[in-house]
Amino acid sequence: GAVVSQHPSWVICKSGTSVKIECRSLDFQATTMFWYRQFPKQSLMLMATSNEGSKATYEQGVEKDKFLINHASLTLSTLTVTSAHPEDSSFYICSAARDSPRGPQHFGDGTRLSIL
Amino acid sequence: KNEVEQSPQNLTAQEGEFITINCSYSVGISALHWLQQHPGGGIVSLFMLSSGKKKHGRLIATINIQEKHSSLHITASHPRDSAVYICAVSPFEGAQKLVFGQGTRLTINP
Repeated sequence: GAVVSQHPSWVICKSGTSVKIECRSLDFQATTMFWYRQFPKQSLMLMATSNEGSKATYEQGVEKDKFLINHASLTLSTLTVTSAHPEDSSFYICSAARDSPRGPQHFGDGTRLSIL
Repeated sequence: KNEVEQSPQNLTAQEGEFITINCSYSVGISALHWLQQHPGGGIVSLFMLSSGKKKHGRLIATINIQEKHSSLHITASHPRDSAVYICAVSPFEGAQKLVFGQGTRLTINP
């Protein structure tokens, strides 16, 4: 089946650090990838939709300068949390759409980010 | 009111019991997804369906488009089925993003 790899799985760092999270589709090309954020015991919140070769589409309330998304190839999208602060601590998870943006989404295992 | 509502929010059962999780939605959709989120956070896509019924092992998903309702059933439940089950829809209108229910936390005791 389709596999999406997300790295790293756990990050602990100091306030002010920038953190990059990678999302790779290992065995298929993904023209569209999605980045989600999840707080404890809450549902997934879409942050942005990432399209290969074009600018990401951010959801309302998500700062594009804070959460930089790059989708440079059909198999890799990155999310960089710039100058992270404790309130950015959360679970970040990506997904990739295999056949079309409206098709099944395949999820990474997520990244747990803790900012001290 | 959320566009996607799941019930129950929490469910605890004994091993072997038949489990049903319900999902109702209020928008027109092109597809409905059932996802399973493990305690570690990873998410697995269980089903994507737009009509009728699908079965995979002990899992069965049904959808009634007219009633805007879907159910996920687990037969012969096992402690390893313990997870959060999330219903999500792909609306007809707007962008390709999914709209999520709040999830159902299932605990199966041995």
